[in-house]
Amino acid sequence: GESVGLHLPTLSVQEGDNSIINCAYSNSASDYFIWYKQESGKGPQFIIDIRSNMDKRQGQRVTVLLNKTVKHLSLQIAATQPGDSAVYFCAENKPGGFKTIFGAGTRLFVKA
Amino acid sequence: DSGVTQTPKHLITATGQRVTLRCSPRSGDLSVYWYQQSLDQGLQFLIQYYNGEERAKGNILERFSAQQFPDLHSELNLSSLELGDSALYFCASSAGTGFGYTFGSGTRLTVV
Repeated sequence: GESVGLHLPTLSVQEGDNSIINCAYSNSASDYFIWYKQESGKGPQFIIDIRSNMDKRQGQRVTVLLNKTVKHLSLQIAATQPGDSAVYFCAENKPGGFKTIFGAGTRLFVKA
Repeated sequence: DSGVTQTPKHLITATGQRVTLRCSPRSGDLSVYWYQQSLDQGLQFLIQYYNGEERAKGNILERFSAQQFPDLHSELNLSSLELGDSALYFCASSAGTGFGYTFGSGTRLTVV
């Protein structure tokens, strides 16, 4: 069935280091992928997205990489800061699809 | 403030009762999505409306129902509540499909 999963449920990094959060998706027809950040007690917040005609997209301190061959998505956070501590969700959307499927989430801990 | 308004923020009710959660989408967004998030769990898609019409259904229980009104606000009705229905319920909106969502801050439902 359709699923978007994460390899690691938790990730702990030192402040200033780079973080990499991975995600696998199973539906090769998905054409739009999004990363969300959810801080404690808040709703998920859009971070960055990428369409299937791209392999890489960069934002401010964040980069999303898409490998369609192995159906893998990753979020790279440069110079991780304490404010980056949160749960990160990847999500996928199929063409013409009316719902976005979310992965289980990875909790990122940033150690000062 | 994300622009998506959810009320109430907290709700405590007894088993067997019925509650209504309300969502006002971001200005200009026609799509409204409802998600359920149990403790330390991912986001489970419940249902989506687009411009007043139901467009997609996820794992929504028969005890749950929703609607989107002409002014585009949406309500999620939960009836015959059980302890296991305790969760965060998020509403999100988007301009259409193929776009990232804007989430509200959620309604925390506690069934006792």
